[in-house]
Amino acid sequence: KAGVTQTPRYLIKTRGQQVTLSCSPISGHRSVSWYQQTPGQGLQFLFEYFSETQRNKGNFPGRFSGRQFSNSRSEMNVSTLELGDSALYLCASRSGTGVETQYFGPGTRLLVL
Amino acid sequence: KNEVEQSPQNLTAQEGEFITINCSYSVGISALHWLQQHPGGGIVSLFMLSSGKKKHGRLIATINIQEKHSSLHITASHPRDSAVYICAVTYIQGAQKLVFGQGTRLTINP
Repeated sequence: KAGVTQTPRYLIKTRGQQVTLSCSPISGHRSVSWYQQTPGQGLQFLFEYFSETQRNKGNFPGRFSGRQFSNSRSEMNVSTLELGDSALYLCASRSGTGVETQYFGPGTRLLVL
Repeated sequence: KNEVEQSPQNLTAQEGEFITINCSYSVGISALHWLQQHPGGGIVSLFMLSSGKKKHGRLIATINIQEKHSSLHITASHPRDSAVYICAVTYIQGAQKLVFGQGTRLTINP
């Protein structure tokens, strides 16, 4: 099976712009979770989608949003970018039932100038 | 104080040494995960534990639920084991979101 893929891999934006990141889960997986990794805060949970519904949400402002499509692909959007949004954004997929291993994508590295 | 504490934060050792990384958490969990992150960012899940011990090759992970503590051991360490090792937990009451430790940067010198 193909692994989790994320596009784009690298992105440079300026303050005030918006950005959309994409994640394609492993075939058959219905859950996609998003994480932000920064040097200062480490890895933090953003949100989880399961069967097109947001199932759980972390402590991030409303500028961070996401959605999931019927084929389980997920996108996350960050509006009105701030310098502090510069980070590695990772998504992870799993089948979505019970306690199970999460499979991570390679990440999208976002730089906000 | 982090909910998930790892020690040490940095560890440098010689090839062949036995490595131990520790992880402590504060409340009941449904599972504990050990993750490996190489330079470049990709994360690989090494183990998921809810009790006891698991072994994969030279890697061994143990968990003590009563003491809220887990250890990751690497036997016969090799320079290719150099990476950041991250402990993460999923709480019983927290759905399936992962809560991460700050990571342990391991460097194995030849």
